[in-house]
Amino acid sequence: AQTVTQSQPEMSVQEAETVTLSCTYDTSENNYYLFWYKQPPSRQMILVIRQEAYKQQNATENRFSVNFQKAAKSFSLKISDSQLGDTAMYFCAYMDSNYQLIWGAGTKLIIKP
Amino acid sequence: NAGVTQTPKFQVLKTGQSMTLQCAQDMNHEYMSWYRQDPGMGLRLIHYSVGAGITDQGEVPNGYNVSRSTTEDFPLRLLSAAPSQTSVYFCASRAPFLDEQFFGPGTRLTVL
Repeated sequence: AQTVTQSQPEMSVQEAETVTLSCTYDTSENNYYLFWYKQPPSRQMILVIRQEAYKQQNATENRFSVNFQKAAKSFSLKISDSQLGDTAMYFCAYMDSNYQLIWGAGTKLIIKP
Repeated sequence: NAGVTQTPKFQVLKTGQSMTLQCAQDMNHEYMSWYRQDPGMGLRLIHYSVGAGITDQGEVPNGYNVSRSTTEDFPLRLLSAAPSQTSVYFCASRAPFLDEQFFGPGTRLTVL
C-alpha cells in the first residue's frame, strides 16, 4: 500500500525567507500524481501545486516550486519570498492509478513578521 | 458556479443520535468522496462514488452510510454517532480522468 510521510510537524520562518517542506512516499507504481495542498485557518483545502510522475521537469507556480526526485520517492515544496498569508497547514498527497488520494499528516508552517 | 458546498458548517451531537451531512456540487463531476480529518493525521477516505447509483468504501467506512441518487448530491449519514466520529469532514469532487479534486469548506462535527 502506498504511504506518504511528512517528517516535519511544524516549521517557522521569517517573512521573505525561503522555506522547504519535505515529503516522501512509498509506491510500486510508475505513473501517479503528487500534490501539495494548503489549508489555512479557514479550513478550506487549496491546491498549491501538482506534479505528474512521468514529467521530469519540476512543477512551478509563482513562488511555489517542487523538487521531485522519482528514484528517491521524494517530493519537497519550496516557498520563496514567504508571506504572512502562507501561514497554514501544508499537506502532501499521492494519487494512485485509481485516482485515490493518500495524504501525509501535514506540516504546520508559521510565517513570522 | 458555487463549486462544492457542505452543510452544516458545525454540528454537535449526542452519542447515539443520527444525522446527515450534506454535500452538493454544480460542476457535473462524476466522482465524489468523503474524507475525515483528525489532528496529526492526513485526510482519510470514508466513502466515494464514481457516479449516480455507484458507491464504494474507502479506508474508514465503519459507522457511515452514503448514497448517490443524483450526480449533484452525495450525503453522508451517521446512523448512531459515537465520540470517535468527532472530526472535520470534507466532501470533494473530481471530473473523470482528471486529477484535481475540489473540496468543500468542511463540517466540524463534535459528538459528546
